[in-house]
Amino acid sequence: GAVVSQHPSWVICKSGTSVKIECRSLDFQATTMFWYRQFPKQSLMLMATSNEGSKATYEQGVEKDKFLINHASLTLSTLTVTSAHPEDSSFYICSARGQPGETQYFGPGTRLLVL
Amino acid sequence: GDSVTQMEGPVTLSEEAFLTINCTYTATGYPSLFWYVQYPGEGLQLLLKATKADDKGSNKGFEATYRKETTSFHLEKGSVQVSDSAVYFCALSLLSGGYQKVTFGTGTKLQVIP
Repeated sequence: GAVVSQHPSWVICKSGTSVKIECRSLDFQATTMFWYRQFPKQSLMLMATSNEGSKATYEQGVEKDKFLINHASLTLSTLTVTSAHPEDSSFYICSARGQPGETQYFGPGTRLLVL
Repeated sequence: GDSVTQMEGPVTLSEEAFLTINCTYTATGYPSLFWYVQYPGEGLQLLLKATKADDKGSNKGFEATYRKETTSFHLEKGSVQVSDSAVYFCALSLLSGGYQKVTFGTGTKLQVIP
């Protein structure tokens, strides 16, 4: 199946710094990428959807100025957590799909710990 | 809105036992249904899917049948192994605003003991 990678897999940072997470589709062109957040023992919560070359669409309650999403190419999307705080510590997972109706493929996730 | 309800875990089974994880959904349209598996410390992997009523998805010995009349998509496996220990997520996908939006259940943790 299609492969989606994320980098880094683990990041620890100090409060107030910004962290960038990359999501890449390795063997297909991802027209749309999705960013999810997963809290311990809970399900995935969709944060935003991004189409290549367009501004991301954020879910209700997600601060777009805090979670900056860029989908500059058909194989790369980035999520930047700006001025991170301990409450931003979480597991961030991206997914990607080619065309509407096709299966979403998920990345392995990035664990963020803000001290 | 659309939602997915899964049985609460954790589910603990002995090796070679029969597994059922219940999943029901509510949706405004005609969704596709999925089961994803998440192994410890990893992201989600698609386990199986079904796109229309009475379809059966299957993979690695796991099966689930799309039941429109009962709005269910229960996951089953005849004989579980220790390596099946993971969290299983039921999900539905519907076209929303021009793209497929996936709604996940809360996940069911499965622990298989030797």
